[in-house]
Formats: sequence, structure tokens, C-alpha cells
Amino acid sequence: QVQLQESGPGLVKPSQTLSLTCIVSGGSVSRGSYYWTWVRHPAGKGLEWIGRIYTNGNTNYSPSLKSRLTISIDTSKNQFSLDLSSVTAADTAVYYCARIDYFYDTNSYTVAREAFDVWGQGTMVTVSS
Amino acid sequence: DIQLTQSPSSLSATVGDRVTITCQASQDINNYLNWYQQKPGKAPKLLIYDASNLEAGVPSRFSGIGSGTGFTFSISSLQPDDVATYYCQQFESLPLTFGGGTKVEIK
Repeated sequence: QVQLQESGPGLVKPSQTLSLTCIVSGGSVSRGSYYWTWVRHPAGKGLEWIGRIYTNGNTNYSPSLKSRLTISIDTSKNQFSLDLSSVTAADTAVYYCARIDYFYDTNSYTVAREAFDVWGQGTMVTVSS
Repeated sequence: DIQLTQSPSSLSATVGDRVTITCQASQDINNYLNWYQQKPGKAPKLLIYDASNLEAGVPSRFSGIGSGTGFTFSISSLQPDDVATYYCQQFESLPLTFGGGTKVEIK
């Protein structure tokens, strides 16, 4: 049973960098067919996708965060990380790491599955001086 | 970006009622849509993938249907444990996007 656990500071000062790590247990981040991803949930708002990384290091970022965002993966430690620079109060949210289960059907040349199937418990990050 | 519009934004129903939520996509997304349940203080949970496929271990009272731009999520017989916010999410193109959510409560 794969489990994900976010870790990082709960309070970050404005203009500084928010850094979180997601530790993966019960499975390997090196295994193909999965993306490793970050989602955030500001209070009173909906879910916002931040970005994702594949085991080979390829990344996709939300355009709204791309200029401030770095997602990396450490296969030796079986974890992946998020760095969001120049934070403001608008970055205050619960941050979730998750796994995207991805399956491409080579017979029909279509994506057969791409779903957030395993989630961490989430970590609250407040941006405040 | 593909916008997903959910309606209603909230609803209140009686135990045993059938509950229906709609999700409208701003462009054709085929069947590239998932549904999640999020209980207060908890992470979202995958219920339905590819618009209509029930995730393993999810009760059969949950279902989904749709293709193109219009999708529907249903709970056939609402249970007290179903109190949550439900989100649709598309994976037709990046960036991945979620609907605004529908909060389901018990009358």
C-alpha cells in the first residue's frame, strides 16, 4: 500500500521560498506509469493543480505558477519536492502531494487512465510575516 | 486552460435520496474526467475515473456518465457518510484543472 507524507515548514515569510517534500513509502518513485504531483487547496476555494514530475525528471507546471516553481525528484531517497519562490499571502493553502496513475493504451493510442489515486494527508502552509 | 463548471455549488438532501451533480467543460474533453470526494480536513479520494468507471473499493451507489462537454455524477441513495465536497477534474490537456466543487449536506 503506497503512502505519501508531506513535510516542511508550516509558516513561511512573504517573498521567501516555500519548500515541501513528499516522502513515498510502500512503493517506488522510480516505477514507471506514475506521475508525482502537487495540489493545493486555499481555504474556502477549490483545488488547484500545481505541477507534476515523472520518474525521469520530466516536469509539467501550472502556467500560473511556472515562473516561481520547481518540482524535483530524488529516487535515492524515494521522495519528491516542491519549491515555490517569492511567496505571498495568496500562496497560503493546504498543500497535498499525490500520485497520478497514468496508463496509455498503445492499441487505441489514447490515455486510458490518468487519475490522482493516492494522496498525502496534506500540510497547511501559511505565508505571513 | 479548460474550465470545469460544477452545479449546484451546494445541495442539501435527505438520507436515501438520489443526488445528481453536473460538470460542464469549456471544450470537448472526450471522457477524460474524474470525480473525487473530499471530506472536511481530509485529502480528496478518487471515486470515478474516465467519466464512468468506478474506482476499486468504492461503493456502487456512486456513478458517473458523460462525454464531450457534459458530465453527471450521481449518488443513488445518499448516506450520512457521503457528506463531503465533490470535485470533477479533467485530464484532456494541461494544465490539469478541477471544478469548483459541490458541497453535499444532509437535511
